[in-house]
Amino acid sequence: GQNIDQPTEMTATEGAIVQINCTYQTSGFNGLFWYQQHAGEAPTFLSYNVLDGLEEKGRFSSFLSRSKGYSYLLLKELQMKDSASYLCAVRDSNYQLIWGAGTKLIIKP
Amino acid sequence: DTAVSQTPKYLVTQMGNDKSIKCEQNLGHDTMYWYKQDSKKFLKIMFSYNNKELIINETVPNRFSPKSPDKAHLNLHINSLELGDSAVYFCASSPQTGGGTEAFFGQGTRLTVV
Repeated sequence: GQNIDQPTEMTATEGAIVQINCTYQTSGFNGLFWYQQHAGEAPTFLSYNVLDGLEEKGRFSSFLSRSKGYSYLLLKELQMKDSASYLCAVRDSNYQLIWGAGTKLIIKP
Repeated sequence: DTAVSQTPKYLVTQMGNDKSIKCEQNLGHDTMYWYKQDSKKFLKIMFSYNNKELIINETVPNRFSPKSPDKAHLNLHINSLELGDSAVYFCASSPQTGGGTEAFFGQGTRLTVV
């Protein structure tokens, strides 16, 4: 079966750095996405990786290792507004997005 | 302008009823989706609809049926609602099925079946 694993919840301090991991086992691979979802709202796109390595976009970076079935989302200079759920999703061989359950990130002052 | 809009935002109804959720996108995208997000927060795809090709997740009960009057709309009709149908339903769209094209989501419809 297809499976995406992420930690359920993480806590970090304002101004710090946090890394959210995602491991996946899917039928084929056509890219990995990270989305942010605030409580009661729709998911919004953060990043996309299809080749191994690091993609940096401002305070957010995303890393991919296809051989290990592993990705992480790195958030720097954490702000209170970063408190949200972070969803990892993999596009499989049928171009369907397979979603993890998300990691709830709690930021403390 | 809202890119992907769905109505209603909240829907409370009794078991056994039939209801519809509407979705419209003004992005000119070719593909639209319906997702269900349950209490465990998993986003599960229910349907994808691309240029009149419907791909159905085989685990979705046939009480659920998507209806697409045109490329910009994909409505979700649910017959004989059950308690287990309570969830948040998201409509989404994307410009193509491949590449780094992300999906844009509607605001979600919180369905509560009582």
